[in-house]
Amino acid sequence: DTEVTQTPKHLVMGMTNKKSLKCEQHMGHRAMYWYKQKAKKPPELMFVYSYEKLSINESVPSRFSPECPNSSLLNLHLHALQPEDSALYLCASSQDINRPFNYGYTFGSGTRLTVV
Amino acid sequence: AQKITQTQPGMFVQEKEAVTLDCTYDTSDQSYGLFWYKQPSSGEMIFLIYQGSYDEQNATEGRYSLNFQKARKSANLVISASQLGDSAMYFCAMREAVYGGATNKLIFGTGTLLAVQP
Repeated sequence: DTEVTQTPKHLVMGMTNKKSLKCEQHMGHRAMYWYKQKAKKPPELMFVYSYEKLSINESVPSRFSPECPNSSLLNLHLHALQPEDSALYLCASSQDINRPFNYGYTFGSGTRLTVV
Repeated sequence: AQKITQTQPGMFVQEKEAVTLDCTYDTSDQSYGLFWYKQPSSGEMIFLIYQGSYDEQNATEGRYSLNFQKARKSANLVISASQLGDSAMYFCAMREAVYGGATNKLIFGTGTLLAVQP
């Protein structure tokens, strides 16, 4: 199984809603990542989890709250989002992040989020 | 400062011809990894090819090859025998260590939109 599965594929939410994005992998990867990608732009790193602990937070607003309940699962909890948060949210995983560098990231197909 | 530069916002190529997508990078590290990803309109990032900073040979994966010129800090992707299904956004990315922590980050260039014409 060499997939990263993201659900839902599409999400429309109001600015007062609370929703969650889910990401799952069963490749034994111990590092997981959230990226945000606006249209026609490259992905931007949001969070890195290593061995279920938050390793990097790229100064992301607190209305985005990541969670890693176990080594296979990564969630992104959304609350009080703004219309400018509408984007493609990509999850990725990789081998032990202490290893250089020949281990690439495996990406999911993303969740297209629209905030209305 | 921009670490990965892709100067071609868009490229056209005829089916069955070869095309080169440019990528230059900036790092002071000796150890780093360079990647190319393909992103179709569906959104998924598909890994194509990897080049390590210490690799002496240029990487190849099927129709994809990487023209690695370390002194020039360039890592151009060459796609041979283009197919209609190659039409997509292509991102060059670099993985480097984050100082002060046992982690690393994958950062992307701005991408090149490739259109393969029949």
